Amino acid sequence: GAGVSQSPSNKVTEKGKDVELRCDPISGHTALYWYRQSLGQGLEFLIYFQGNSAPDKSGLPSDRFSAERTGGSVSTLTIQRTQQEDSAVYLCASSSPPNQNIQYFGAGTRLSVL
Amino acid sequence: AQRVTQPEKLLSVFKGAPVELKCNYSYSGSPELFWYVQYSRQRLQLLLRHISRESIKGFTADLNKGETSFHLKKPFAQEEDSAMYYCALSGNTGGFKTIFGAGTRLFVKA
Repeated sequence: GAGVSQSPSNKVTEKGKDVELRCDPISGHTALYWYRQSLGQGLEFLIYFQGNSAPDKSGLPSDRFSAERTGGSVSTLTIQRTQQEDSAVYLCASSSPPNQNIQYFGAGTRLSVL
Repeated sequence: AQRVTQPEKLLSVFKGAPVELKCNYSYSGSPELFWYVQYSRQRLQLLLRHISRESIKGFTADLNKGETSFHLKKPFAQEEDSAMYYCALSGNTGGFKTIFGAGTRLFVKA
């Protein structure tokens, strides 16, 4: 594909509901990252997938957050029992050798929890 | 611990004035440093990386290991430079996880 694709672009949900955010990385990219972008908080690392290795989940803020990456491609970030403080833009990025450290970002999903 | 600090949340300069966006980092190994930029209604994208040692859109950044800094500079700011700028650090410990700073919003006034 042309770039990292994220869906939906906007999601409004009620407090307590579960949401799923999807990320389609650039074809062939082995690494995939999820970040949360909040006003005044910058980019907060959530989780990182690299090939078939166990993901680095060190940034997930609570056990309500989880992510999976199926077949080494598409990833889904799930937030259970959403809270108002979960409202943010969720960004996905992917990268690949030889420039593993250069990340290509999606347009993000803006999540609003009412 | 890895950390990236951008002390200024907002920086406002006049068109044609020099601009410097500050970035300091903490990392025990040999990091790779980046500046990413997000223009209004656009995706976050790479602006430059320290190993390239190049000027992009008139911006340069030099890695100063002694001061653990990677400040972004441009001698003459343009209105189209108005954007959100993030300094980022990546190392080869724990994979290639990248740590971003809180970001600095640059506003260039006419």
